[in-house]
Amino acid sequence: SQTIHQWPATLVQPVGSPLSLECTVEGTSNPNLYWYRQAAGRGLQLLFYSVGIGQISSEVPQNLSASRPQDRQFILSSKKLLLSDSGFYLCAWSGEDTGELFFGEGSRLTVL
Amino acid sequence: SQKIEQNSEALNIQEGKTATLTCNYTNYSPAYLQWYRQDPGRGPVFLLLIRENEKEKRKERLKVTFDTTLKQSLFHITASQPADSATYLCAFLGSNMLTFGGGTRLMVKP
Repeated sequence: SQTIHQWPATLVQPVGSPLSLECTVEGTSNPNLYWYRQAAGRGLQLLFYSVGIGQISSEVPQNLSASRPQDRQFILSSKKLLLSDSGFYLCAWSGEDTGELFFGEGSRLTVL
Repeated sequence: SQKIEQNSEALNIQEGKTATLTCNYTNYSPAYLQWYRQDPGRGPVFLLLIRENEKEKRKERLKVTFDTTLKQSLFHITASQPADSATYLCAFLGSNMLTFGGGTRLMVKP
């Protein structure tokens, strides 16, 4: 069966520090991969999606970036965090057809 | 651009009653709508999908309807239980990715 792992689960970072969130999927090949952000009490905002290795599409211009170095690995990064980057970050994958998403457990980022 | 809207106010109901949540969209009808459940501090979990040509879909105590005339999907939980308390998100597929509504928080009181 397919599983998705996301880490770290929680982190507190100072403004201006770098960020790296990692997500890996097991049990499937060539998945579509996504990074979403959810601010407190808000809906899900799509940040990046990828349909294959090295293929990244950005939905929102910001100081975040994403990379997909391997088929089942998706990384969210920042060189310098802003206060506004605080939130709950979710990685997800989908197969073909109806695009049902399978989410990881999320990473809660607090920027101080 | 296409928008998807859910009631941002929490829905409070008594245990045993039917909970009904609304999802409205603008412009064109999506090929299908999806509903997810999200518990605090967790990722959303897929519940149901309904296609444009389907009026109703059921799964155990859950029922989803899709009215393309009203541009609306309704999500029902019958015989609600306190364990059903969560935030429910609707989503539709638009240009290769899912767009989510803001979610409605459901509170079922014993």
